[in-house]
Amino acid sequence: KAGVTQTPRYLIKTRGQQVTLSCSPISGHRSVSWYQQTPGQGLQFLFEYFSETQRNKGNFPGRFSGRQFSNSRSEMNVSTLELGDSALYLCASSPDSFSTDTQYFGPGTRLTVL
Amino acid sequence: GNSVTQMEGPVTLSEEAFLTINCTYTATGYPSLFWYVQYPGEGLQLLLKATKADDKGSNKGFEATYRKETTSFHLEKGSVQVSDSAVYFCALSGTSYGKLTFGQGTILTVHP
Repeated sequence: KAGVTQTPRYLIKTRGQQVTLSCSPISGHRSVSWYQQTPGQGLQFLFEYFSETQRNKGNFPGRFSGRQFSNSRSEMNVSTLELGDSALYLCASSPDSFSTDTQYFGPGTRLTVL
Repeated sequence: GNSVTQMEGPVTLSEEAFLTINCTYTATGYPSLFWYVQYPGEGLQLLLKATKADDKGSNKGFEATYRKETTSFHLEKGSVQVSDSAVYFCALSGTSYGKLTFGQGTILTVHP
């Protein structure tokens, strides 16, 4: 099976712009979670989608949003970019979101905000 | 809320040395526990997991035992290799949909 794929792998944006990142989960996985990784804050949970519904959300401002499509592919959007949004954004998929389920991670999208 | 605490790094070892990376957690209920590894420029790869107390997860020579009495999930390997150099993350999954709570990560460097 193909793993989790994320596009693009690298992005450079300027403050005030918006950006959309894409994640394709492992075939058959219905849950997609997103995380932000920074040197200062580590790995932080953004949100989780299951069957096109956001079921959980982390402590991030409303500028961070996402959606999931009927084929389980997911996108996340960040509007009005700030310098502090520079990070590695990781998505992970799992068959469901039971606590015992393993999350499989993609390679990430490296976002740089200038 | 849930939290995970890992030993401070970085950890530097010589090849064939014994490795321990400590991980303790705070959680309500019965979380599942995971170790992930991240190589430079890559995402996270699952190393091992345990889903209930006293379970031992193992993979590629790494082991960790879910100790509920001490709320710990320490990672061990008897003989490390240069190729084990990476960042290691301890994580837990509880009752919150699709959310893993991570420790801060431990950088491991293994010298020949």
